[in-house]
Amino acid sequence: AQSVSQHNHHVILSEAASLELGCNYSYGGTVNLFWYVQYPGQHLQLLLKYFSGDPLVKGIKGFEAEFIKSKFSFNLRKPSVQWSDTAEYFCAVNAHSGNTPLVFGKGTRLSVIA
Amino acid sequence: DSGVTQTPKHLITATGQRVTLRCSPRSGDLSVYWYQQSLDQGLQFLIQYYNGEERAKGNILERFSAQQFPDLHSELNLSSLELGDSALYFCASTGKDGGATGELFFGEGSRLTVL
Repeated sequence: AQSVSQHNHHVILSEAASLELGCNYSYGGTVNLFWYVQYPGQHLQLLLKYFSGDPLVKGIKGFEAEFIKSKFSFNLRKPSVQWSDTAEYFCAVNAHSGNTPLVFGKGTRLSVIA
Repeated sequence: DSGVTQTPKHLITATGQRVTLRCSPRSGDLSVYWYQQSLDQGLQFLIQYYNGEERAKGNILERFSAQQFPDLHSELNLSSLELGDSALYFCASTGKDGGATGELFFGEGSRLTVL
């Protein structure tokens, strides 16, 4: 069975600081990887996704993530955070082949302070 | 706006009661997923329907059931409610490929409070 670990429960950063949120997954086969964001009071939205090809994936709002297969990791990064990035971030995985539901990590809450 | 509609947005009920949560997927999407989000468990997959048929089952309790109707809307029925069922219930839908790409489009959720 697939599982996803997000090591940081709550991260607090000052504006303009760099961000890296960790995500590790457990699965024996090829996977698709996702980062979703949930702004306060809103639904989950896709930030970026990896299916194949270049392991460095760029998403919306200046976010990027790097798939490191040997480490089973898909960490999310942003060079300079803004107050509006305050949200909860979820890493998710599903099997590359077949129609399988996304398995989510427990999420990391990011608070950006001025 | 994701195009996925969930009702009601908020629901407060008592233990032992039964509630129904409703989801309308994006236009043209055949697959509907239900997730439960709680503080301690995070986002837990409950169940998936594809074009009216159950496709996958996750950590769904026997007290919970779901169905997808011919017009593709889905309902999640929660019965004999317990305090621990208080959570945010999300519906998500995905495209005509049945979710092979995995990208889900989420509704805003139904917040259930059991007192």
